[in-house]
Amino acid sequence: AQSVTQLDSHVSVSEGTPVLLRCNYSSSYSPSLFWYVQHPNKGLQLLLKYTSAATLVKGINGFEAEFKKSETSFHLTKPSAHMSDAAEYFCVVSAGGYQKVTFGTGTKLQVIP
Amino acid sequence: DGGITQSPKYLFRKEGQNVTLSCEQNLNHDAMYWYRQDPGQGLRLIYYSQIVNDFQKGDIAEGYSVSREKKESFPLTVTSAQKNPTAFYLCASRSAGAGTDTQYFGPGTRLTVL
Repeated sequence: AQSVTQLDSHVSVSEGTPVLLRCNYSSSYSPSLFWYVQHPNKGLQLLLKYTSAATLVKGINGFEAEFKKSETSFHLTKPSAHMSDAAEYFCVVSAGGYQKVTFGTGTKLQVIP
Repeated sequence: DGGITQSPKYLFRKEGQNVTLSCEQNLNHDAMYWYRQDPGQGLRLIYYSQIVNDFQKGDIAEGYSVSREKKESFPLTVTSAQKNPTAFYLCASRSAGAGTDTQYFGPGTRLTVL
């Protein structure tokens, strides 16, 4: 069994300040973990992916995430928020097999000018 | 350009009508997926297909049907049996094999029942 919990449904930051979006997961296997971003009425775009090669994963647009097995967390961070980062972000866990992908409920990021 | 296309972008349906949502990919991916997205609920799996002429039900398959006659295409029909079809529908695909579990998404179709 696997699950993913995004701890905040909404996060608001000022432009130029750091971003932290929190994700905890559970999985019976060694999972792959993903972060996707979705702008309004658009599809999901892959930000980054963890597959056990390195615990700190760098993605597109300056985002990165750190895999912490002891805390079962995969939080997404960015040092300085930009207005274009305003979107919804999804944490996803995959434990193998074609069906075994579980999506979090999403975190909406608001960036205040 | 390689990618996944979905059409139409917006679709309006009267109650009692069946409608078909198109999904095409030119990524040469084996597996394709349909998800439904409702506010605050994340994505829920409707159907998926690993190979041509084969597909499996996901978590919320009732009221939906699919076909997979070609590798590139995975259309979804929303039937009149689906009681609450208004939602945003996303198609995705991935390649086969170990270490290739990344899903790539199309731009989505927003279905509204009038």
